Amino acid sequence: SQQGEEDPQALSIQEGENATMNCSYKTSINNLQWYRQNSGRGLVHLILIRSNEREKHSGRLRVTLDTSKKSSSLLITASRAADTASYFCATDSNTGKLIFGQGTTLQVKP
Amino acid sequence: DARVTQTPRHKVTEMGQEVTMRCQPILGHNTVFWYRQTMMQGLELLAYFRNRAPLDDSGMPKDRFSAEMPDATLATLKIQPSEPRDSAVYFCASGLPAGPNEQFFGPGTRLTVL
Repeated sequence: SQQGEEDPQALSIQEGENATMNCSYKTSINNLQWYRQNSGRGLVHLILIRSNEREKHSGRLRVTLDTSKKSSSLLITASRAADTASYFCATDSNTGKLIFGQGTTLQVKP
Repeated sequence: DARVTQTPRHKVTEMGQEVTMRCQPILGHNTVFWYRQTMMQGLELLAYFRNRAPLDDSGMPKDRFSAEMPDATLATLKIQPSEPRDSAVYFCASGLPAGPNEQFFGPGTRLTVL
């Protein structure tokens, strides 16, 4: 069963705009991670936020985590056409494995 | 440039045939994961290993799928006999022995069973 539920399922924006994706999960977690998948490729780790952190930045990425609501968001600022990809959240509940959401497909139009 | 490698990248086979997919994890990584990705089901964990020992294969159809790690540099996923519903992209990922559970994915094997 899926731990993470993501919304929206698909998002289309213009280059330069910000993109926000949300992830909700069900059980307590050790950390939450975001991955990107370009078409026809494997997933690439973007950023990890621990359960005792509320916000984290990496370049144009900003991740927030609200453990009381069991939710996280990924913000990509000043989007570029190269950001076009699918984005997945994954939760680590200290079981040794990650549970991935269904993903958000982002299209950034030039 | 350390990365996870998978072979073959593409495989087309007929129903009933055996399929073997191979993965070379990043040197020094002691956890290996097998995932299957389809449009309908998304990314599903099939099995994972730590120090070559299988820890969880509950996501894998036991009657036809098997996963092994003959040594620390090779993980295999076999399907015998294959069925059209097995058509999917199969990913291998590896992880570090300690620290956060970040996973490094291979490029995947796209399997088509006719």
